[in-house]
Amino acid sequence: GAGVSQSPSNKVTEKGKDVELRCDPISGHTALYWYRQSLGQGLEFLIYFQGNSAPDKSGLPSDRFSAERTGGSVSTLTIQRTQQEDSAVYLCASSLVAGGPNEQFFGPGTRLTVL
Amino acid sequence: DQQVKQNSPSLSVQEGRISILNCDYTNSMFDYFLWYKKYPAEGPTFLISISSIKDKNEDGRFTVFLNKSAKHLSLHIVPSQPGDSAVYFCAASVGNMLTFGGGTRLMVKP
Repeated sequence: GAGVSQSPSNKVTEKGKDVELRCDPISGHTALYWYRQSLGQGLEFLIYFQGNSAPDKSGLPSDRFSAERTGGSVSTLTIQRTQQEDSAVYLCASSLVAGGPNEQFFGPGTRLTVL
Repeated sequence: DQQVKQNSPSLSVQEGRISILNCDYTNSMFDYFLWYKKYPAEGPTFLISISSIKDKNEDGRFTVFLNKSAKHLSLHIVPSQPGDSAVYFCAASVGNMLTFGGGTRLMVKP
C-alpha cells in the first residue's frame, strides 16, 4: 500500500484481557515507531525499531507492553492484562531511516477502549 | 517533565487572517523541529520542518520560525482557510527520537 496501515481501527476489550495491535509500515522504511495519544493529550512515544538493531523500549509504560517487528516489516504491539488507563489511540509511524530530517509517516491509528 | 509544550490548547481565527501557533521547548540539544497536522480519525501528517541551523523556513502559506535563544518556534499560516482547521502538533528531535507537544486545535471560521 501507499501508506502506513494499522489494524484493527477500533478495539473494545474487557479489563484484564490481552490485545494485539498491528502496523504495516511503508515498504522500504527501516524505522518504525509506536506512539499513543490519550484523550486530550499529545503523542506519547512508546517504542521504536531501526533496522535489525535492538528496539528502543524506553517509552513503554509498564512490562505489560511489548512489541516486535518481524522481518523488518510488520510490527505488533501487545498489551497484556489491559487496564482502563490503557484506553487511547495507538499510532504507528514509519520513516525511511531514523533521525530528525526524516519525517515520520503515520497510520490512522487504532482506538483502544478498555471497559 | 514536558520537553515540548504547546501552551494554547485551541485557537480560533477568521478565514483569510493569519494563524500563529506557538511551541516552546526546554532541551537545547534538539536539532530539528517539525509541525504535524491531524484531522479527526486520521494519523498526523507532516507539514513543515526546520533545522536548528536556520531561523525560518517557508512553504507556500506555511512558515515556521525558530528562535533558539528563546527556545521557541512558531507556525504561521497565511491566509488561513477553513480546511486548515485541525489539531497541530509541534515536534522536536535529537538523534532518532521525536518528542511531541500536546497539540493546538485550530478552528478557521468562514
